[in-house]
Amino acid sequence: DAGITQSPRYKITETGRQVTLMCHQTWSHSYMFWYRQDLGHGLRLIYYSAAADITDKGEVPDGYVVSRSKTENFPLTLESATRSQTSVYFCASSEGRQTEAFFGQGTRLTVV
Amino acid sequence: GEDVEQSLFLSVREGDSSVINCTYTDSSSTYLYWYKQEPGAGLQLLTYIFSNMDMKQDQRLTVLLNKKDKHLSLRIADTQTGDSAIYFCAESTPGGFKTIFGAGTRLFVKA
Repeated sequence: DAGITQSPRYKITETGRQVTLMCHQTWSHSYMFWYRQDLGHGLRLIYYSAAADITDKGEVPDGYVVSRSKTENFPLTLESATRSQTSVYFCASSEGRQTEAFFGQGTRLTVV
Repeated sequence: GEDVEQSLFLSVREGDSSVINCTYTDSSSTYLYWYKQEPGAGLQLLTYIFSNMDMKQDQRLTVLLNKKDKHLSLRIADTQTGDSAIYFCAESTPGGFKTIFGAGTRLFVKA
């Protein structure tokens, strides 16, 4: 299906485990983003990517790693999950730097 | 630094107008956006305004921008129960990838 999809939709993991959240878009958008959404904070940018093999830190990158070997995929890895990383994670893509961002449905991650 | 602020809750009666307000700090903002998030879903762009505009109207939606006061508002006319959602104000600045989001305003529409 066309669009932007995230998987899994829900994930529970234990403190210290590595977990990867997947994001896939079918539009060949150049730009992709990862945000986390927490009550009272709105959306905060974790990492973004301007093109394949180009990534950069956002506002809250600590504890996260991203890669972009292909334009359509932008996985987010928590190398050693902590309880403070319990959140809803949104992936987004856009054609240009300031054009409309299209969001995935989100991944609700709980770290216990 | 860049910051976007909005009130967290708004409650209106069905059929009334809703006005959601937002203030931002970066005077170099070029685009200002309103996104809508329905329960269990991602954000969807509702409308946006260029910083050189004062007003934009799109059916039931009216966006007002006061650049001097760095104040943005979204007016929804004839609010319906289907408008119940969280509304995010966001700004982007020239040359930057970052779009800065507010914390979101949860709109409750009472029947």
